[in-house]
Amino acid sequence: AQSVTQPDIHITVSEGASLELRCNYSYGATPYLFWYVQSPGQGLQLLLKYFSGDTLVQGIKGFEAEFKRSQSSFNLRKPSVHWSDAAEYFCAVAGNTDKLIFGTGTRLQVFP
Amino acid sequence: EADIYQTPRYLVIGTGKKITLECSQTMGHDKMYWYQQDPGMELHLIHYSYGVNSTEKGDLSSESTVSRIRTEHFPLTLESARPSHTSQYLCASSESQTVIYEQYFGPGTRLTVT
Repeated sequence: AQSVTQPDIHITVSEGASLELRCNYSYGATPYLFWYVQSPGQGLQLLLKYFSGDTLVQGIKGFEAEFKRSQSSFNLRKPSVHWSDAAEYFCAVAGNTDKLIFGTGTRLQVFP
Repeated sequence: EADIYQTPRYLVIGTGKKITLECSQTMGHDKMYWYQQDPGMELHLIHYSYGVNSTEKGDLSSESTVSRIRTEHFPLTLESARPSHTSQYLCASSESQTVIYEQYFGPGTRLTVT
């Protein structure tokens, strides 16, 4: 069965600092991986996705993520965080079906 | 940019009432989904549809029901609301019946049952 673990429930960074949000997945084959962002009171917006090919994927809003098969990880990174990045971030995995399995999310707080 | 709409955005209702949460998308997507999300928790799939007249239950058991009479419309109904139904409900859609594409989400309906 597929599963996703986001070890960090809450992360606080200063504006302009770099960011890395961790995501570990469990799946026997190469999964489809996604990062979504959810602002308060809003739905989820897709930041980026990995299906195959280059293991470093670029997304919107300056985010990138790297797929590491050996570590079963798909960590999200941003070199310089903006105050508007404060939100909840969800990692998700899909295997051989189109059903997404979501992690519990990481809440990002940004201090000026 | 995805166009998927949910109404109402917020709903406070008494126990025992029947409610319908609306979800519509204008992209012609075949697949549609309903998720339930409690505060600080992950999303759980409660219903999905692969097209008109297709509905399936998701991984999380739910007392709600859904219908898919038109491609663009995927309403969720609770016949008798209870406080345990208090949650946020998110609707999503994706393109294809056979290929895994990303899902586009609506803004959600936050339901409170008193």
